[in-house]
Amino acid sequence: GEDVEQSLFLSVREGDSSVINCTYTDSSSTYLYWYKQEPGAGLQLLTYIFSNMDMKQDQRLTVLLNKKDKHLSLRIADTQTGDSAIYFCAEMATGRRALTFGSGTRLQVQP
Amino acid sequence: DVKVTQSSRYLVKRTGEKVFLECVQDMDHENMFWYRQDPGLGLRLIYFSYDVKMKEKGDIPEGYSVSREKKERFSLILESASTNQTSMYLCASTTGGTSRREQFFGPGTRLTVL
Repeated sequence: GEDVEQSLFLSVREGDSSVINCTYTDSSSTYLYWYKQEPGAGLQLLTYIFSNMDMKQDQRLTVLLNKKDKHLSLRIADTQTGDSAIYFCAEMATGRRALTFGSGTRLQVQP
Repeated sequence: DVKVTQSSRYLVKRTGEKVFLECVQDMDHENMFWYRQDPGLGLRLIYFSYDVKMKEKGDIPEGYSVSREKKERFSLILESASTNQTSMYLCASTTGGTSRREQFFGPGTRLTVL
């Protein structure tokens, strides 16, 4: 079955890099996603990676995928206070219509 | 821009009441979803619908039902609300094609059952 795991909390200083990690169990996953949820709001897609890629960069965001270890990470360079939010990892497995989400990692950025 | 709207941001109901949560999307998406979000548990899928009048159970359907009479609208129904259904409810929609299937989310409804 599918299961996605993340650590619950990460605290960094403004200007540092943040790395949020995720592990998943379904090797048939086709796409893997990172969503951001700001306080009081719904989820917003940050970035995604197709399963045949191992890295994707988008401005301050870098996604790394290790398919062998079923490990996904999101690196945020030069973290700002506006990056404080909950970050969800999610997978879309082949043949599934719905995403499976992790528990979310709360990122706290200290000035 | 895709817009997914939910009928209420905050709702307070009493145990045993019937509760309707409404979701509307404006991008002609085939698929619509209801999740509940609880601290430390992430998002859990309650029900989803892949077409009008079509629905499938998610991971935690007990105590809930859904209705999709029109393509743009997906309703979540709590037949007899209980305190353990106090939660944040999120609606989402996506296309039905073979694209990367980005899910677009509404702002959420925070439901409190007393």
